[in-house]
Amino acid sequence: EVQLVESGGGLVQPGGSLRLSCAASGFTFSPFWMHWVRQGPGKGLVWVSHINGDGSSIGYSDPVKGRFTISRDNAKNTVYLQMNSLRAEDTAVYYCGRAGSGGAFDIWGQGTMVTVSS
Amino acid sequence: EIVLTQSPATLSLSPGERATLSCRASQSVGSFLAWYQQKPGQAPRVLIYDASNRATGIPARFSGSGSGTDFTLTVSSLEPEDFAVYYCQQRFNWPLTFGGGTQVEV
Repeated sequence: EVQLVESGGGLVQPGGSLRLSCAASGFTFSPFWMHWVRQGPGKGLVWVSHINGDGSSIGYSDPVKGRFTISRDNAKNTVYLQMNSLRAEDTAVYYCGRAGSGGAFDIWGQGTMVTVSS
Repeated sequence: EIVLTQSPATLSLSPGERATLSCRASQSVGSFLAWYQQKPGQAPRVLIYDASNRATGIPARFSGSGSGTDFTLTVSSLEPEDFAVYYCQQRFNWPLTFGGGTQVEV
């Protein structure tokens, strides 16, 4: 079965750090661009970051640039999101997604909740 | 940043009726637009990519049209499982952006 499984979310104080993981299975991971998308409570979807197959192309949305770092380990079929200097406004469900046909996100994980609060 | 404006915010319809959802871009995105469906507590699911191509396993009642700045998602005859929130998303340039969503409710 083709799937993505996120982990690593939780409750963290403002200024703290978390590392999210997204484990892929059921498909050949290395060629695919991978993305992180977040969704605040009751809000819409917001793109966060991308990484291409070999890690040579990486990008971030402005609100997270300089604080978040995306990476991948193709041997472990896993993409990561290191989140530092967390703020209350980073509170959201974080989804990883695979860019498939036409660049759309054709496979999504179930999401992992990140809550930034004191 | 390309802003995607979806309308209406809420669409109140009954099963069997036709749903027409709009997505307008602040500048041309060519045909690089996708549509997603999201139900409560679930991850989004892609319906349409590149404006008019149905994703794998998506029923034929879902169709997409448009190019440039104006796009439409049509559900020809709503089934009970189609009541959800729908988002458009562009991949024409960075940052990738999503519309604010249209809730289709009974």
